[in-house]
Amino acid sequence: EIVLTQSPGPLSLSPGERATLSCRASQSVSSSYLAWYQQKPGQAPRLLIYGASSRATGIPDRFSGSGSGTDFTLTISRLEPEDFAVYYCQQYGSSLITFGPGTKVDIK
Amino acid sequence: EVQLVESGGGLVQPGGSLRLSCAASGFTFSSYWMHWVRQAPGKGLVWVSRINSDGSSTSYADSVKGRFTISRDNAKNTLYLQMNSLRAEDTAVYYCARGQFDYWGQGTLVTVSS
Repeated sequence: EIVLTQSPGPLSLSPGERATLSCRASQSVSSSYLAWYQQKPGQAPRLLIYGASSRATGIPDRFSGSGSGTDFTLTISRLEPEDFAVYYCQQYGSSLITFGPGTKVDIK
Repeated sequence: EVQLVESGGGLVQPGGSLRLSCAASGFTFSSYWMHWVRQAPGKGLVWVSRINSDGSSTSYADSVKGRFTISRDNAKNTLYLQMNSLRAEDTAVYYCARGQFDYWGQGTLVTVSS
């Protein structure tokens, strides 16, 4: 099973600031089958990024993903009020799909 | 419009059984793999199971293998999760999700408690 570790812990930022979230895998993620999700309280997760760097339909371009192998990053270039949420990475390249523990981005 | 609507959750005693359903609409259901993902209260997301488009291949997380069974009825555009031998640690909101996890249902809460 591929274990995903996310950092930092809770991230306290102000609107307009840049957020950089990290996801590290215990082994290489096949063909960059790495996705990022946003989840707000009481809502289902929302796909932001798939294939490590491709934005899902309707996702603003302030969200970007990068990385390969075992190290991946989600960047939010300028935080909007609606971006304060929990973000999960996920690998779907192996038969056992796994999620990271999540990073909470809250308002400073 | 793509819609996934889960149902069947509720309160069940430890050792009991429950069957969840996920009704799909707005897309060609029979063309997509489907998944179940769960989230315990206040915790993170955990993938549970997946099934291929014609139902001939399934996979499960170790924590549910042998107790849960995923299935689908493409004629009814419905995904199922049969959950047996339920434990307190199975308490969670259960979500169904399409293929590459691009669409999710709103979730159904399963509570295992005496």
